[in-house]
Amino acid sequence: EPEVTQTPSHQVTQMGQEVILRCVPISNHLYFYWYRQILGQKVEFLVSFYNNEISEKSEIFDDQFSVERPDGSNFTLKIRSTKLEDSAMYFCASRAPGLAGGPREQYFGPGTRLTVT
Amino acid sequence: AQKVTQAQTEISVVEKEDVTLDCVYETRDTTYYLFWYKQPPSGELVFLIRRNSFDEQNEISGRYSWNFQKSTSSFNFTITASQVVDSAVYFCALSDYNSGYSTLTFGKGTMLLVSP
Repeated sequence: EPEVTQTPSHQVTQMGQEVILRCVPISNHLYFYWYRQILGQKVEFLVSFYNNEISEKSEIFDDQFSVERPDGSNFTLKIRSTKLEDSAMYFCASRAPGLAGGPREQYFGPGTRLTVT
Repeated sequence: AQKVTQAQTEISVVEKEDVTLDCVYETRDTTYYLFWYKQPPSGELVFLIRRNSFDEQNEISGRYSWNFQKSTSSFNFTITASQVVDSAVYFCALSDYNSGYSTLTFGKGTMLLVSP
């Protein structure tokens, strides 16, 4: 069964450093997302991406964050200058085009645990 | 604005007991979609069900069942004859017109602990 993959599974970085989190969405999906989950808290939406541009973003997704689909398979989240409070699990998700019955479910990757020291 | 409330932070049951996880949502839209996801200890988010606001039929899938009540804005999830492998955090989520039917607004999750 096709699945969303993410690398690395765990990333440790120092405050102020840039990190790039990588995702490979399911191949026939057209909508891509990043969410984050601070330890023990709920999953929060960061950004959605469709047709090579950002379609929605949350207040969390400030100028320090950017997303890119550099080729036909990868979808990346970059944090330019990491802060301690960026420590969280980052989930990538993708979904197929909608049906007559509306948008389909999102499928999530296993997550990348980012630790900022 | 949309909101999802899962009032139960943690539930502990003994194997074979039935358990219901509550989910109450808020939205101003008449068309919306509700979801349940499971997050086992390994951390991934596993899709369980999607339901649109026009379909109020309850759904059963094996030991899982979902009760959608528009009148009370609830979308509760019942596990029958729980098993240890059901131990996980369960998230209810909402997608509506305000979010472009795209983003998911999650509740805080309910941690279910099933002991042998």
